[in-house]
Amino acid sequence: QKEVEQDPGPLSVPEGAIVSLNCTYSNSAFQYFMWYRQYSRKGPELLMYTYSSGNKEDGRFTAQVDKSSKYISLFIRDSQPSDSATYLCAMSAENFGNEKLTFGTGTRLTIIP
Amino acid sequence: DADVTQTPRNRITKTGKRIMLECSQTKGHDRMYWYRQDPGLGLRLIYYSFDVKDINKGEISDGYSVSRQAQAKFSLSLESAIPNQTALYFCATSDLPLAENYNEQFFGPGTRLTVL
Repeated sequence: QKEVEQDPGPLSVPEGAIVSLNCTYSNSAFQYFMWYRQYSRKGPELLMYTYSSGNKEDGRFTAQVDKSSKYISLFIRDSQPSDSATYLCAMSAENFGNEKLTFGTGTRLTIIP
Repeated sequence: DADVTQTPRNRITKTGKRIMLECSQTKGHDRMYWYRQDPGLGLRLIYYSFDVKDINKGEISDGYSVSRQAQAKFSLSLESAIPNQTALYFCATSDLPLAENYNEQFFGPGTRLTVL
């Protein structure tokens, strides 16, 4: 079993819809949770970061972490065609200082105009 | 100009050849990483370096070696390439952790390597 599980999709939704992307994990030591966005033929770039449990909002994006369920989510409101990309969750344990990130496989998202 | 650059961007080679992938950064970061990305497997860490004198193996280092020539340069070598090393390779950099012990990793554009 992988430490981090993520549905690879692909996921296609109409423009303006709310998108929900999720990851589950098995390592209870994970404390740092990140979402990276990767456009085609580009490297991943950090989109959201959350420490421990809770919610974090940034514009149309909301990250949620539920450590009791070992489940993290990324919500995209009012989705736009420019949101079409692969979304990777990533996480690490506190004692590693974040130098070793464990990534999910990524979910490919397409927003249909 | 890009902060993290990788050369070459695409490479096709044959089994048994020696290949070097290069990474340069202008971000002034001490920490550098090499990952490979495969469909269905996500990003996996090959090697990482905290400074010029510090090199560490990652999750999948077998068949690879690295060289940290300077703070800004980190090279990945495949001594004798094999077909299952066909993948997308990314270099990344990060600064020292902030007070919360977190650091963001900045990725290069990737090198698409095909081993025939």
